[in-house]
This record gives sequence, structure tokens and C-alpha cells, in this order.
Amino acid sequence: NAGVTQTPKFRILKIGQSMTLQCTQDMNHNYMYWYRQDPGMGLKLIYYSVGAGITDKGEVPNGYNVSRSTTEDFPLRLELAAPSQTSVYFCASSLPRTSGSGDTQYFGPGTRLTVL
Amino acid sequence: AQKVTQAQTEISVVEKEDVTLDCVYETRDTTYYLFWYKQPPSGELVFLIRRNSFDEQNEISGRYSWNFQKSTSSFNFTITASQVVDSAVYFCALSEQASTNAGKSTFGDGTTLTVKP
Repeated sequence: NAGVTQTPKFRILKIGQSMTLQCTQDMNHNYMYWYRQDPGMGLKLIYYSVGAGITDKGEVPNGYNVSRSTTEDFPLRLELAAPSQTSVYFCASSLPRTSGSGDTQYFGPGTRLTVL
Repeated sequence: AQKVTQAQTEISVVEKEDVTLDCVYETRDTTYYLFWYKQPPSGELVFLIRRNSFDEQNEISGRYSWNFQKSTSSFNFTITASQVVDSAVYFCALSEQASTNAGKSTFGDGTTLTVKP
């Protein structure tokens, strides 16, 4: 049981390039989330999903897109990279509230992205 | 809207000292969850504890203890006899139980704890 995995671990992009951050979980969690963590700051929610085919914006969605075609995968797409998107990106997952899990989120190891 | 404030940006202690990390939250919901996560220098986020808003009992787990007080909207975290391995960034988080919330959590900005030998 690998939990939540993210690839790549590190990436450097040039301004205007695009890329996809991959996130996969093998815990059969319905809910998945993407956060960014800027230096010295807490986590800010970018997008989230409550199940396959359902996604919604979080606090800071501009410049990003997501899709959720399967329960396991929740990729995050950056279309036109900007220096302001330099950050560490975390993917997380959780069970539905009805499961009694209490909204506990399980995090991947993060992707450190630098845009130059 | 929900908000979590961790007023202490950085704390430095000497090993074996006790240290308390403060967390104050704001919410209009009457039911919610509170969390503490640890982020060691390696960068991963580790779940430490979850507390339901209906449960104000304090909790102790080894050297860790948590004091939840609804009257002051606080959920403070104490490490007793701190160790160098406790050095990390600690995040407090809040998840409202409104049906539309979809399990989303709001995080504080974190407190960086440094334990010196």
C-alpha cells in the first residue's frame, strides 16, 4: 500500500512552459486535493475533487487545471508557467465524511517546482 | 469563512524543555474538526491528531498533549521534554462539517520549532 504518490519530485520550468504534476492514491479515497505551499507559509488549496468526473476550485485556482477520470488519479496541469507558481505542491486524499474518517487527509511527498 | 491563526512563527528551545504551540481558529460552524500536522525537514506532512468539536477532552500521546478549548477557540499543542527530532514545522488545520465543505481543510501558516541539543 503506497498511499499517495507524486511525480516528479523536482522540476525546473521556463516561463511559458507547461507541465502536468501527477498524483495517484491506492487507498480508494473518493476525495482528493491539490495544495501549494509557498516558503514560510501554510498550504493553500488549489483544486479538489469529490469523485471521478467531479472537480471544483479551491482558494487559488488561477493558472491551473485538473481532471479526475479515475478514483486513483488526480493530475494538476500548469498551462503557462509563471515565476509566481514557484512553490511546493502537495496532493492529498481522504475518505468521504460518511465513512467516519473525520476528514483526515493523507499527503503525498510533494513536488518542488521552480519557474525561471 | 474559516480561519486558522498560528501567531508563533518560530520557536527555539533547548532539548528537554517543554514547549507549547498555539492555534486559534475562527468558524461559524458548530461542528468541525481540528488537526495538527508535522512537517519535518524532509518535507512530508505527517498527521498527528484530529479532534471533533464535540469532544473537548484533552489528549495525551507520549510526550505530546493537546488542549482544546471551545470557549477561547484554541487548540494548543504541547511537547514535553522536547527532543532534537521534534524540530519541524507544525501546522494546525480546521475542517468545517457543513455538507458543502467536501472535507476541505484550512491551514494555519505553521510554527517552525527548533530544538537545540
